[in-house]
Amino acid sequence: KNEVEQSPQNLTAQEGEFITINCSYSVGISALHWLQQHPGGGIVSLFMLSSGKKKHGRLIATINIQEKHSSLHITASHPRDSAVYICAVRSWETSGSRLTFGEGTQLTVNP
Amino acid sequence: NAGVTQTPKFQVLKTGQSMTLQCAQDMNHEYMSWYRQDPGMGLRLIHYSVGAGITDQGEVPNGYNVSRSTTEDFPLRLLSAAPSQTSVYFCASSYGGASGGYEQYFGPGTRLTVT
Repeated sequence: KNEVEQSPQNLTAQEGEFITINCSYSVGISALHWLQQHPGGGIVSLFMLSSGKKKHGRLIATINIQEKHSSLHITASHPRDSAVYICAVRSWETSGSRLTFGEGTQLTVNP
Repeated sequence: NAGVTQTPKFQVLKTGQSMTLQCAQDMNHEYMSWYRQDPGMGLRLIHYSVGAGITDQGEVPNGYNVSRSTTEDFPLRLLSAAPSQTSVYFCASSYGGASGGYEQYFGPGTRLTVT
């Protein structure tokens, strides 16, 4: 079993829909990251959080440390949101800036 | 700032050849890492560095060497390329903060094919 599990693996939505991507992990963590990888391959950091909730534009990330679960929500989805969304955790059991990554969720938003 | 830069963007090698993937950052970040990304798998850590002169192995270090002589540069060397090293390679950097959570900055990636 992977230390970081994402669901769903693939998600297709219509423009305007509310989207939720889930991430569950099995280790103690000091931080959780949500990343976005566009079709061109570049990876950008969306959020880094260790508790509660963060919001940036139409994106909202939440984390429940007790349940070892995080969600990424996209409100009013748009075709430009089509990308792979990756969850990664930094375990307090490891030193340095080492991250463990989920396999990613491929999101396609149709117009 | 240029952020994290990687060269080359694409490379084709024959089995047994060696090469160096270059990575540089201009943000004065302490931490730098190399990952490989393969279909159906998450990013996997190859090697990482917590500062100039200090490197350590990640999950999949075999067949790769690194060095960190300066804060800015973190090259990845393939000693004798094998088809199993066909992958997309990402370099990343982050600033070590007291909170323990570090925002990651990724380079654009290098797509390597070994024939």
